[in-house]
Amino acid sequence: DVKVTQSSRYLVKRTGEKVFLECVQDMDHENMFWYRQDPGLGLRLIYFSYDVKMKEKGDIPEGYSVSREKKERFSLILESASTNQTSMYLCASSRQRGYGYTFGSGTRLTVV
Amino acid sequence: GQNIDQPTEMTATEGAIVQINCTYQTSGFNGLFWYQQHAGEAPTFLSYNVLDGLEEKGRFSSFLSRSKGYSYLLLKELQMKDSASYLCAARGNGQNFVFGPGTRLSVLP
Repeated sequence: DVKVTQSSRYLVKRTGEKVFLECVQDMDHENMFWYRQDPGLGLRLIYFSYDVKMKEKGDIPEGYSVSREKKERFSLILESASTNQTSMYLCASSRQRGYGYTFGSGTRLTVV
Repeated sequence: GQNIDQPTEMTATEGAIVQINCTYQTSGFNGLFWYQQHAGEAPTFLSYNVLDGLEEKGRFSSFLSRSKGYSYLLLKELQMKDSASYLCAARGNGQNFVFGPGTRLSVLP
């Protein structure tokens, strides 16, 4: 089974802190994605990557950056956390473009 | 623009049949996925439609009409464990998915 692992299930950070969310997949998938999930809004794409060292902005990239130095790892960075970034963050991977996703269990981030 | 619409909440009784509708607007169309997400857990893949018609997979079926921009997920013989959110996601020309807000289904005894 493909596994997508997110390093933390719950995080509490202070406003202004730099926050790193880590995601690792173990099935050699090319594509990785970061979404946030908020009630009533569904999943919104923050950033995605189709290859190592490649990144593309999704629909809501403001306030975020990403890093993909190795194929299996895709990191989401909040440069200066703000309260409106309190959310559930979901990482996903897929074998090829357009294929279905395998999701991680999510990180519930609270910024106080 | 791109948009996915689905009901926010639905309630049904154990053993019954429930249909969750999804309408979509995307730039081009390259498939529609349904995911199930239990509270506090990751979404998991349920079904995929790219051609018109019904795809059946055990108790779950999914239907697609591309001309109407419409899909539904049909759940038969409902069980308590089917209480979850059901996410509709459409893939347009850009190869990435647009997700709907999810439908929270409550199955009552």
